[in-house]
Amino acid sequence: DAGITQSPRYKITETGRQVTLMCHQTWSHSYMFWYRQDLGHGLRLIYYSAAADITDKGEVPDGYVVSRSKTENFPLTLESATRSQTSVYFCASSPARTGDSNQPQHFGDGTRLSIL
Amino acid sequence: AQTVTQSQPEMSVQEAETVTLSCTYDTSESDYYLFWYKQPPSRQMILVIRQEAYKQQNATENRFSVNFQKAAKSFSLKISDSQLGDAAMYFCAYRSYVKMDSNYQLIWGAGTKLIIKP
Repeated sequence: DAGITQSPRYKITETGRQVTLMCHQTWSHSYMFWYRQDLGHGLRLIYYSAAADITDKGEVPDGYVVSRSKTENFPLTLESATRSQTSVYFCASSPARTGDSNQPQHFGDGTRLSIL
Repeated sequence: AQTVTQSQPEMSVQEAETVTLSCTYDTSESDYYLFWYKQPPSRQMILVIRQEAYKQQNATENRFSVNFQKAAKSFSLKISDSQLGDAAMYFCAYRSYVKMDSNYQLIWGAGTKLIIKP
């Protein structure tokens, strides 16, 4: 089925470890986004990508790395995990801004990441 | 920079009654989009309703409608005939309408938890 898939759904790791969260979408949407969701903050944008090989920082990019070698994939890597990165992470995608330019973002089901 | 404020951390309503969730935003732009998303306990983020700032008519989607007051920068969500399945976190979000690709971000409120009493 078409959609946006995040993996893993849950992850527990230790401080200092590298961890990668995967995001895959089947719509061929140009835009992809990574958010973190923490209590009292709503969603905060970490990184986004307008197309393959084009990425840019969001509101809270420190400690994270992204890549987009293919349109359908947008992995998020924590190079050296810290406890402050314990959060729920959401990937989202959206089509290019042509035609109906109020297209919403479509979200994956989220990854709950715990850093011990 | 744009900001979105949801001043009600939690709201409760009796089943079948009507509830209004508030959202205010701050922007210097004249064209933009506003969205309400619902996040049930399953954690999915589901679009409820959207509003284009250039449209004066308030958006409606079945039992969901908005009261968009552009001058006051207010975008409240009204849920009529509340159902148990409406229980969720509700997030208000703002998006610029700009021609450059570099600013295609959603700005989010902190959310309002809606409790439905049977």
